[in-house]
Amino acid sequence: KAGVTQTPRYLIKTRGQQVTLSCSPISGHRSVSWYQQTPGQGLQFLFEYFSETQRNKGNFPGRFSGRQFSNSRSEMNVSTLELGDSALYLCASSTHWGAGLLAGAQNTGELFFGEGSRLTVL
Amino acid sequence: DAKTTQPTSMDCAEGRAANLPCNHSTISGNEYVYWYRQIHSQGPQYIIHGLKNNETNEMASLIITEDRKSSTLILPHATLRDTAVYYCIVRVATGFQKLVFGTGTRLLVSP
Repeated sequence: KAGVTQTPRYLIKTRGQQVTLSCSPISGHRSVSWYQQTPGQGLQFLFEYFSETQRNKGNFPGRFSGRQFSNSRSEMNVSTLELGDSALYLCASSTHWGAGLLAGAQNTGELFFGEGSRLTVL
Repeated sequence: DAKTTQPTSMDCAEGRAANLPCNHSTISGNEYVYWYRQIHSQGPQYIIHGLKNNETNEMASLIITEDRKSSTLILPHATLRDTAVYYCIVRVATGFQKLVFGTGTRLLVSP
């Protein structure tokens, strides 16, 4: 089955602009989370969505936002771009949130990552 | 902050076993040990996870010490394609999907 799809793969923006990144999870996956990866800070958690609701948020400014649609697809938006926002933005999907092993579901807690969207801010 | 510590880099000869250590001395009783790897410019890939028993799958083996304060990921026959950054993460298997990545171990497999 198809993996996690992120679009666009590469994009270049200038300071002050905004950007919207898209993520299509694996079919049947309802949880989508976003991560930012930079050489200096490594992989950092942005936020997680499940059933169209944000369930958890990392330590990023309000310029970073996201949403999830009824088909589980997710978008993240960064407004008023800064040079430091240049990064690889990764989306990951998972089958469950909160159900897990206690519910007997086959949830290993495994996340499936997409290839990422590489954003360059000039 | 990451709850794990790993060596920054390791080398391994092709065909030999690669043993990647991880310390997680503050692990809680309900936290699992997860391993992911990231090949250059790709998204992280799940390898294996475990709670307290040793685990094996088609990719690797995971050995967890009895006190659960450390673990070792074993790639039994490393290939050049195993060159990647390997991340050891501890987290609960349910609930929020937040992963706290450390700096990982950069494994270089050489011919």
